Amino acid sequence: NAGVTQTPKFQVLKTGQSMTLQCAQDMNHEYMSWYRQDPGMGLRLIHYSVGAGITDQGEVPNGYNVSRSTTEDFPLRLLSAAPSQTSVYFCASSLRFRSSGNTIYFGEGSWLTVV
Amino acid sequence: KQEVTQIPAALSVPEGENLVLNCSFTDSAIYNLQWFRQDPGKGLTSLLLIQSSQREQTSGRLNASLDKSSGRSTLYIAASQPGDSATYLCAADGGATNKLIFGTGTLLAVQP
Repeated sequence: NAGVTQTPKFQVLKTGQSMTLQCAQDMNHEYMSWYRQDPGMGLRLIHYSVGAGITDQGEVPNGYNVSRSTTEDFPLRLLSAAPSQTSVYFCASSLRFRSSGNTIYFGEGSWLTVV
Repeated sequence: KQEVTQIPAALSVPEGENLVLNCSFTDSAIYNLQWFRQDPGKGLTSLLLIQSSQREQTSGRLNASLDKSSGRSTLYIAASQPGDSATYLCAADGGATNKLIFGTGTLLAVQP
């Protein structure tokens, strides 16, 4: 099993550019989510999905879009990159949202710099 | 709004010492409390999950406790080893925000 795979690992963008961070899991997990991690702020939830075709906003959704057309994939789109979106982005998945003993699996992270 | 705080922010101990990491949360209506480990440049690895109805969970040298009434959880690491050096994060699931909310973590260094 590959687990949760994120691409790219590193990316530099210019202000105003758009891009998509890819996330794929091969564990048939229903629940997938995107977090950003910033120094002193911890991890903050951007968007999440409880199943194919269902998405919802987290704590900091502005400037980001998501879709969930398949169970495996949950891409995160930056619409018009801003320096404030410089961060490390993590994708995570779990079998179901809040089921008993539900282990959350994280990807290795995507380092994004917006200049 | 759920807020999760971890103290201390950083901790350095000699090898072999037992240690406790603290996590506090403001909204006690949580579904569960989870502890994670993060190595530099890596993602998070789940260590322990405590359901709201449970008081503690154990895995090897790790023991996590949960006291919902006081809004506290602790992670106890017995006989620490240099390989335990990492950042440890706790996350509270549930409460009014209905989300998994993370603390900012404790950076642990175990000196050989």
